[in-house]
Amino acid sequence: GQNIDQPTEMTATEGAIVQINCTYQTSGFNGLFWYQQHAGEAPTFLSYNVLDGLEEKGRFSSFLSRSKGYSYLLLKELQMKDSASYLCAVGSNDYKLSFGAGTTVTVRA
Amino acid sequence: NAGVTQTPKFQVLKTGQSMTLQCAQDMNHEYMSWYRQDPGMGLRLIHYSVGAGITDQGEVPNGYNVSRSTTEDFPLRLLSAAPSQTSVYFCASSWDGGRPQHFGDGTRLSIL
Repeated sequence: GQNIDQPTEMTATEGAIVQINCTYQTSGFNGLFWYQQHAGEAPTFLSYNVLDGLEEKGRFSSFLSRSKGYSYLLLKELQMKDSASYLCAVGSNDYKLSFGAGTTVTVRA
Repeated sequence: NAGVTQTPKFQVLKTGQSMTLQCAQDMNHEYMSWYRQDPGMGLRLIHYSVGAGITDQGEVPNGYNVSRSTTEDFPLRLLSAAPSQTSVYFCASSWDGGRPQHFGDGTRLSIL
């Protein structure tokens, strides 16, 4: 099984940078995913890491260290529309995806 | 391009009733899954399927049944609804279990 931890809430100012950390314990690692979920809506895919290192996609970047069981999602140049819940999820070799409880990010003007 | 379609969007049931939540995808994805989302607990996997005719249990399968007779459809059945099953249910699909999943809009289910 998986044990996935991420902070419950974070607050930042518009235009700033926020880093959301995720730690996990797993057997049979098969990728780490980040999803964004606005209130009342479905999760949408943001980024995916299967190898160690940094993946950059525009204002969003995700980092993975498999040896440390650690990932982070970096949100740059924050905009009001980035206020949402960010979900860390770990895939395993038995085709299951386990989610953390999510981090609610509030962007203030 | 519909993606993943879930019906109904909202449903209220009485304890003991049964019902089926529908999920269909038009992307020819082999992998489909059902999650429930409760406040403070994140998404929890109920059942999943790696292809037509193949299903398996996730983290919280009790009280739910699934079947996968076609690639497109993956219905979730509540056998005898209980208040503890009040939740938001999401269906998702992907090419395989190791790829990013596409989620439906969810079904908000209340059991009285």
